[in-house]
Amino acid sequence: ETGVTQSPTHLIKTRGQQVTLRCSSQSGHNTVSWYQQALGQGPQFIFQYYREEENGRGNFPPRFSGLQFPNYSSELNVNALELDDSALYLCASRGQGRTEAFFGQGTRLTVV
Amino acid sequence: GQQVMQIPQYQHVQEGEDFTTYCNSSTTLSNIQWYKQRPGGHPVFLIQLVKSGEVKKQKRLTFQFGEAKKNSSLHITATQTTDVGTYFCARVDSNYQLIWGAGTKLIIKP
Repeated sequence: ETGVTQSPTHLIKTRGQQVTLRCSSQSGHNTVSWYQQALGQGPQFIFQYYREEENGRGNFPPRFSGLQFPNYSSELNVNALELDDSALYLCASRGQGRTEAFFGQGTRLTVV
Repeated sequence: GQQVMQIPQYQHVQEGEDFTTYCNSSTTLSNIQWYKQRPGGHPVFLIQLVKSGEVKKQKRLTFQFGEAKKNSSLHITATQTTDVGTYFCARVDSNYQLIWGAGTKLIIKP
């Protein structure tokens, strides 16, 4: 059974650019959530996907968007990057009817 | 959604001393989860508490859920260097989204 994997692990982008982060969920998990974790803070919920539909969204602007694919992998897209978007982006997957989340190692995004 | 408040922000201990972090909510929690994040790492699920007054143990870690289901604590007995990291509590809302505390960073004094 494979765990949650994210790519890339590190990324540097310029303000105003767009970025796509990728996540493969743990085998058998059909729910994927994305979180933003700024340095020294707890993760903040961005949105959640279940069976390719967004079924929950946190307090993030529309320039944060996502997708979930039939194999339950997911993408997080951020347009018009701002300096404050610099953070660790975490993907987590859950199994059907389960509440415990399993996290990937994260993507460290730096916006300069 | 209602936040969970977690204290302290940091705790410095000598190796072998105990460590405790507390999580509080102004409203009743349906459940509470605890995660550990090592420096440079990602959160790792430790445990979920659901029942009023529940106490669960994992080796040197003891997790408690208050009788009113408004607070929870994690206690580590005789800390070791492998315990270093940030411990987070998180509540699960009706859409299974995690709402996190700010975390307590455990620092072992040299």
